[in-house]
Amino acid sequence: KQEVTQIPAALSVPEGENLVLNCSFTDSAIYNLQWFRQDPGKGLTSLLLIQSSQREQTSGRLNASLDKSSGRSTLYIAASQPGDSATYLCAVRPGTGRRALTFGSGTRLQVQP
Amino acid sequence: GAGVSQSPSNKVTEKGKDVELRCDPISGHTALYWYRQSLGQGLEFLIYFQGNSAPDKSGLPSDRFSAERTGGSVSTLTIQRTQQEDSAVYLCASSLDSSGTETQYFGPGTRLLVL
Repeated sequence: KQEVTQIPAALSVPEGENLVLNCSFTDSAIYNLQWFRQDPGKGLTSLLLIQSSQREQTSGRLNASLDKSSGRSTLYIAASQPGDSATYLCAVRPGTGRRALTFGSGTRLQVQP
Repeated sequence: GAGVSQSPSNKVTEKGKDVELRCDPISGHTALYWYRQSLGQGLEFLIYFQGNSAPDKSGLPSDRFSAERTGGSVSTLTIQRTQQEDSAVYLCASSLDSSGTETQYFGPGTRLLVL
């Protein structure tokens, strides 16, 4: 059974810092990995999707990397801003069988102005 | 539509009542997913529809839960004889297809509280 772990569970940083969120998964046979952002009381917003054949994806100040063989992904946020404060969720889609995503428990990020 | 929509946004019900939650996916998206987000449980998969194929119901927690998707578009998640442990945010997502290359887009969720 696939298990997704996110470390740290919570993170507080001053504005302007670069930061890294970690995601690990137990079964490396994945189809893709997706990073989401969730604001309090809201749904999920997709940030980046990395296919199993890819090593990284970039969007603006965000960069996500994937090391499938070691079961790890990182989300790098450059020059953090208070508006980045949210919960960040990592999710993997299996390579076979069930098509739905398996989610980590998230990292709650607070960027202090 | 512009995005995935869900209704109602909030629902309060009494234990033992039935509830229906609605999801309207992005137009043209053939794959539709239901997830549940509970305090302390994180996000868990419930059910998945892909085109006209039989749905994947492997995530439904009990036979009190059912879902249907009419005309390949709108989906309804029904919870019969609700229990307090059913209280959660129910999230719907859709994607263009299920090939694995497409992003899942989520709706804002329905917050269900069972008293």
